[in-house]
Amino acid sequence: DGGITQSPKYLFRKEGQNVTLSCEQNLNHDAMYWYRQDPGQGLRLIYYSQIVNDFQKGDIAEGYSVSREKKESFPLTVTSAQKNPTAFYLCASASEAPGDTEAFFGQGTRLTVV
Amino acid sequence: AQTVTQSQPEMSVQEAETVTLSCTYDTSENNYYLFWYKQPPSRQMILVIRQEAYKQQNATENRFSVNFQKAAKSFSLKISDSQLGDTAMYFCAFMKADNDMRFGAGTRLTVKP
Repeated sequence: DGGITQSPKYLFRKEGQNVTLSCEQNLNHDAMYWYRQDPGQGLRLIYYSQIVNDFQKGDIAEGYSVSREKKESFPLTVTSAQKNPTAFYLCASASEAPGDTEAFFGQGTRLTVV
Repeated sequence: AQTVTQSQPEMSVQEAETVTLSCTYDTSENNYYLFWYKQPPSRQMILVIRQEAYKQQNATENRFSVNFQKAAKSFSLKISDSQLGDTAMYFCAFMKADNDMRFGAGTRLTVKP
């Protein structure tokens, strides 16, 4: 089955530690995204990537880093520089087929700093 | 960067009635896509409806339709014959030609029996 897989579903981190969230897609999409969602709020764009080896900062990139070495994978690292990392993180990829453009989402990772 | 504004944090509607959710956006682009996504309590994002900016005809998907006003930069969602399963967060989203995709803050819709 085609889709986007985020892992793990729940993640706990101690303050001062870096942590990497995984996102893999087998939909053959070029574009991939990372969003942060805080309780009762919308999705804020962290980073997005149009193609392999290229990515762009979103509105809240500070304290986060990404890589796009393979088309299928777009991991997000939450660094110790991110002051308030506890949140729900959503990964997405987008189809650009004419008339069929759509973003598909993973099931999310809930990150908690302890 | 473009912005997406949803001015209704919460709305409610009686089952079987009609409700309209508002969305405005700000952009200098001419070619783009607009979307409404639904996020139920499971938090899985589900596409409700999509509109290409170059199309003048408003998109419809069964009970869901949009009112796309390009000059006014407005993109409202109408849900007809509301069902209990429509209870969810609804997000308006804007995608530029370079795939930059931004979301509004969301509207929490409650359908009451």
